[in-house]
Amino acid sequence: GENVEQHPSTLSVQEGDSAVIKCTYSDSASNYFPWYKQELGKRPQLIIDIRSNVGEKKDQRIAVTLNKTAKHFSLHITETQPEDSAVYFCAAKSTGGFKTIFGAGTRLFVKA
Amino acid sequence: DAGVIQSPRHEVTEMGQEVTLRCKPISGHNSLFWYRQTMMRGLELLIYFNNNVPIDDSGMPEDRFSAKMPNASFSTLKIQPSEPRDSAVYFCASSLAEGYEQYFGPGTRLTVT
Repeated sequence: GENVEQHPSTLSVQEGDSAVIKCTYSDSASNYFPWYKQELGKRPQLIIDIRSNVGEKKDQRIAVTLNKTAKHFSLHITETQPEDSAVYFCAAKSTGGFKTIFGAGTRLFVKA
Repeated sequence: DAGVIQSPRHEVTEMGQEVTLRCKPISGHNSLFWYRQTMMRGLELLIYFNNNVPIDDSGMPEDRFSAKMPNASFSTLKIQPSEPRDSAVYFCASSLAEGYEQYFGPGTRLTVT
């Protein structure tokens, strides 16, 4: 069945450094890849998404890259700040389907 | 818009009792999702509806779980009878249509003792 693997499960960086979270997906029909951020005790919220006709998308300090051939996509956060500390989920959804498959999440700690 | 609304926000019940969780999606959204989140299992999709019709309920763990969407503005997730292992945060989410962002509700924290 469809599967999304996410690495690492935990990531600790120093404030100002970059953080990279990587995901792979199994369904080659996947064409929509959102990233959600979940702060402690709160709901997941979309921070950025990318569609399969685009290789890279950037929004201020956040960027996502997609390699459809390898079925990889990654989240890059530059100049990390303590408020970036949260759990980040990648996800993948295929054309014609409503089901979004979530990765297991990455707990990011940004140390001041 | 007030966003996705869930009630109750917290529920504490005893094993064997019936639990009903409620969700009001964002007006105009055609898809509704129920998720369960625990430390051990992460974020699990239980069931999703499109235009009030259940599309995939393969994530519903057991027959004790059931979900309904009688109209476009209301859905329920029922657990009967509840068990301690059902303790989790249950999120409802809605999206405009296929391939659009999902908006999550604040969640219901369920504790079954």
